[in-house]
Amino acid sequence: KAGVTQTPRYLIKTRGQQVTLSCSPISGHRSVSWYQQTPGQGLQFLFEYFSETQRNKGNFPGRFSGRQFSNSRSEMNVSTLELGDSALYLCASSDGWNEAFFGQGTRLTVV
Amino acid sequence: GDSVTQMEGPVTLSEEAFLTINCTYTATGYPSLFWYVQYPGEGLQLLLKATKADDKGSNKGFEATYRKETTSFHLEKGSVQVSDSAVYFCALTSGGSNYKLTFGKGTLLTVNP
Repeated sequence: KAGVTQTPRYLIKTRGQQVTLSCSPISGHRSVSWYQQTPGQGLQFLFEYFSETQRNKGNFPGRFSGRQFSNSRSEMNVSTLELGDSALYLCASSDGWNEAFFGQGTRLTVV
Repeated sequence: GDSVTQMEGPVTLSEEAFLTINCTYTATGYPSLFWYVQYPGEGLQLLLKATKADDKGSNKGFEATYRKETTSFHLEKGSVQVSDSAVYFCALTSGGSNYKLTFGKGTLLTVNP
């Protein structure tokens, strides 16, 4: 069974730009969650989608948004990038109730 | 809200030493508890889990027991190897219909030969 696939693995963007990250979950999983990992704040929950509906949202500004498609693939978007948005963004896939499986992450650098 | 507190380290051990990484939690209801491991440049891998009080999760020689009375889920291994060097995260989810993991800050473990 294929694991969680995140693309791209690395991104470099300029302040003020926007970025879209993609996540393909494990086949059959309908829940996709996103997390931001930084050295200072650790792992912070961004949002979770289940069957195309956002079920839960973390404490992030509205510049961070996401969506989920009918095939369970998910995208997250960050608009008006700031230097502080530089982080490893991790996507997790689950059936919605049991353990989550993580992708390798997308390393975003904002310059 | 939910929270997880774990020893931040770093922890440095010699090969074959005994490992303990402490983890305590605060949560409403009856959370499920997890240990994840992150190797350099990688995402998180599930190491073990426990879903109810007194459950023991185990995998690859690592163990942790869900202690409701002390709200703890300490990670242990009897004999560490160099290949165990990584960052370890304790986490919980209070489940229900909203799947959200709350993580501790992570503990960097370095095992020297």
